Amino acid sequence: EAQVTQNPRYLITVTGKKLTVTCSQNMNHEYMSWYRQDPGLGLRQIYYSMNVEVTDKGDVPEGYKVSRKEKRNFPLILESPSPNQTSLYFCASSRGFVDTDTQYFGPGTRLTVL
Amino acid sequence: AQSVSQHNHHVILSEAASLELGCNYSYGGTVNLFWYVQYPGQHLQLLLKYFSGDPLVKGIKGFEAEFIKSKFSFNLRKPSVQWSDTAEYFCAVMGDTGRRALTFGSGTRLQVQP
Repeated sequence: EAQVTQNPRYLITVTGKKLTVTCSQNMNHEYMSWYRQDPGLGLRQIYYSMNVEVTDKGDVPEGYKVSRKEKRNFPLILESPSPNQTSLYFCASSRGFVDTDTQYFGPGTRLTVL
Repeated sequence: AQSVSQHNHHVILSEAASLELGCNYSYGGTVNLFWYVQYPGQHLQLLLKYFSGDPLVKGIKGFEAEFIKSKFSFNLRKPSVQWSDTAEYFCAVMGDTGRRALTFGSGTRLQVQP
């Protein structure tokens, strides 16, 4: 089944403890992206990647890092999480970087930073 | 910068009622427009999308949306809702920035009562 998977789905952590949220897609998609969803703000893009080893900042990149060493994986790294990074995170992927390509979303990761 | 406004935050309808959810966007260039749906406990799914051509777009599950360029609007409609349409609906815009970033509205929670 074609899908985008994220792990973990739920995570509670403490301020300053490094964490990684994994994202994987099995559709051989070139484009991948991370979003965060906050009440009243909708989804906002954090980082995106056009292909392996090609990543760039989205609208809200502060406090996050990403890497794209393999086509299928696009982990989101929080080196020193803070409470304002408590949010619902979504990974998305699409076939290419043509605007007409549909973006497929993962199930979301709910992160709480205490 | 692009932005999206969804004015209806919570809509309650009875089954068989007609639905119209408002979406207005702000962006100075060419836009692509989307409606996504998030059913309870599930990930975001694409309902429909507009890139060019006929401004009346038909999507899955009987939904349609009309792009009115002069009003910067992309309202979602369905003539007769069902209980299974209970979900959160997000309007999104993608500008011609090259980042393929989707900017989402804050969402409309639709509750359909049997």
